[in-house]
This record gives sequence, structure tokens and C-alpha cells, in this order.
Amino acid sequence: EDKVVQSPLSLVVHEGDTVTLNCSYEVTNFRSLLWYKQEKKAPTFLFMLTSSGIEKKSGRLSSILDKKELFSILNITATQTGDSAVYLCAVEAGTSYDKVIFGPGTSLSVIP
Amino acid sequence: GAGVSQSPRYKVAKRGQDVALRCDPISGHVSLFWYQQALGQGPEFLTYFQNEAQLDKSGLPSDRFFAERPEGSVSTLKIQRTQQEDSAVYLCASRYRGALINEQFFGPGTRLTVL
Repeated sequence: EDKVVQSPLSLVVHEGDTVTLNCSYEVTNFRSLLWYKQEKKAPTFLFMLTSSGIEKKSGRLSSILDKKELFSILNITATQTGDSAVYLCAVEAGTSYDKVIFGPGTSLSVIP
Repeated sequence: GAGVSQSPRYKVAKRGQDVALRCDPISGHVSLFWYQQALGQGPEFLTYFQNEAQLDKSGLPSDRFFAERPEGSVSTLKIQRTQQEDSAVYLCASRYRGALINEQFFGPGTRLTVL
């Protein structure tokens, strides 16, 4: 059965800290890995990763994929209170269409 | 519209009632997904439509759940004889199939509470 696992499930840090969120997966017919940010509403897209070893960056956020070891990390540097959210990792897999399997999410709280 | 819309945003139902949740995807988006998100969990896949065809309904938890998209645009998720365990946020997402970035655009969700 396809599954996506995230760790830690929750995390509390102080503003300015750097955090690393982990995502591992076991799926058939992997196509891509996605990161989303969810703040009490619908998830918003952050990154899509398809190739190993290529870092994607957007401001203070960056992510990388290791397709051999079947995991990805999401880094957030110099965290701000506005980064407080649930970060969802999802994997697209399948042959006839891109089914998306979500992990449970990591709840990040950034305190001043 | 500019994005995916869902209605109602909140629904309270008594156990045993039938409910219908509506999703209006972004115009032109071929793919439509329904997810169920329980408190503190990630979204769980329910069903997938490509145009009007329901290609995957493997995530529907029981035969009380039924989804349709008769004209390939608006979709309705119906839950019959609701149970307390059906309480969750139901998210709809659409995607333009064939886009370089396979981003799903999510609606705001419908929060269903079954008493």
C-alpha cells in the first residue's frame, strides 16, 4: 500500500531558528513529490520535486529529494511567526493518472 | 471564477441525515479530486474525476459515500445516513491535466460536523 510518512509530527521553535522537516515514502510508480503549507484553510503549493539532488528554493524555504533513499527534506531558515502552519508532504504516483498521497503533516509553531 | 469554490463552507448534520457538498473547480480544469481531512491529519484521497468520468473511487470509505460530476465541471459529494466518524473537512482540488507543474488548486473546504 502506498504511504507517506512525515517527522516530526509537531515542532515548536523560536523565531530565527532553522528547522528541517522530513518526509519518506513508499509508493508504486513514483512521479513527483510535493510540499504544501496549510494554515487553517486549504493547502497552498510550495514545491514540486522530480529529480534527486536538485535543490528547489523559494526565499527562506528550500527542499531536496533523494529518490534512492525515498525521502525529502524541507528546510526553513530564520523562521518567522508567519511560518507557523502544517507542512504537508505529498507524493504523486500512478500510471493512468497522478494520484496524490498525502502524509500526516508536520505542525510547526514559531514563537516570538 | 478565480479559484476552486466549495459550498457550504460549514455543515452541521444530525446523525442519519444525508448531506451534499458542492465543488466548483477552476474553469477548464479536467481533473478533480475529493479528499477527507480529519483533525490533525493530512488529506485522505476519496475519489478522482477526469472530466465526467470517475476513474478512481477507491478512497470512498463506505457505500454511503457517492460522488458525481455529470457535466465534467461541478462535482457533488453526497454522504448518506451520516455518522459521527464522517465529521471532517472535505477538500476539493482541481488541476489542468498536462500542465508542466502538476499543481492541484484546493478549495477552502467544507467542514462537516455530525452530531
